[in-house]
Amino acid sequence: QKEVEQDPGPLSVPEGAIVSLNCTYSNSAFQYFMWYRQYSRKGPELLMYTYSSGNKEDGRFTAQVDKSSKYISLFIRDSQPSDSATYLCAMSVGQAGTALIFGKGTTLSVSS
Amino acid sequence: GAVVSQHPSWVICKSGTSVKIECRSLDFQATTMFWYRQFPKQSLMLMATSNEGSKATYEQGVEKDKFLINHASLTLSTLTVTSAHPEDSSFYICSAREQLTGIWQYFGPGTRLTVT
Repeated sequence: QKEVEQDPGPLSVPEGAIVSLNCTYSNSAFQYFMWYRQYSRKGPELLMYTYSSGNKEDGRFTAQVDKSSKYISLFIRDSQPSDSATYLCAMSVGQAGTALIFGKGTTLSVSS
Repeated sequence: GAVVSQHPSWVICKSGTSVKIECRSLDFQATTMFWYRQFPKQSLMLMATSNEGSKATYEQGVEKDKFLINHASLTLSTLTVTSAHPEDSSFYICSAREQLTGIWQYFGPGTRLTVT
């Protein structure tokens, strides 16, 4: 079993839809949870981070962490064509600046 | 702020030659830089962690004599792929951890290496 599992998709939704992206993990020592957005042939861009369990909201994006289930989610409300990208979850045991373990990434396509 | 650059963005080289990729933190000092490799439709795989002024720490399965990493200053780390082969063709991405807070990793735009 891989440390971080993420459904690669692709996921196609119409503009305005609510998108749910998820990752599961096996290492209970993970403390920092991040979501990155990566456009084609570009480096990842940090979208959200959460420390330990809980929710965090930033505009149209909401990140949730359920450590008891080893499950994290990213919700995108009112999705836009510009949200079309690959979304990678990442986790680390120590501070977010330490080595990150990434999921495979989910490719999202939002059609107008 | 917190911009990381990579050079070159794309390089094509012949099998057997060496290629150097630079990673620079433009507006902050980075004590630690990370090098990742990403194959098409795959996740980022950590190759090595480099700390300024010391030897890099390589992940299991990564040949340190093939992927030479130098982190000579707080703003520059280089990855040299020696004796490149077609199977080394990949997207190489670096990230840098800011010195002061040490919380975030900021990623570069990546370098696409094609070995013919």
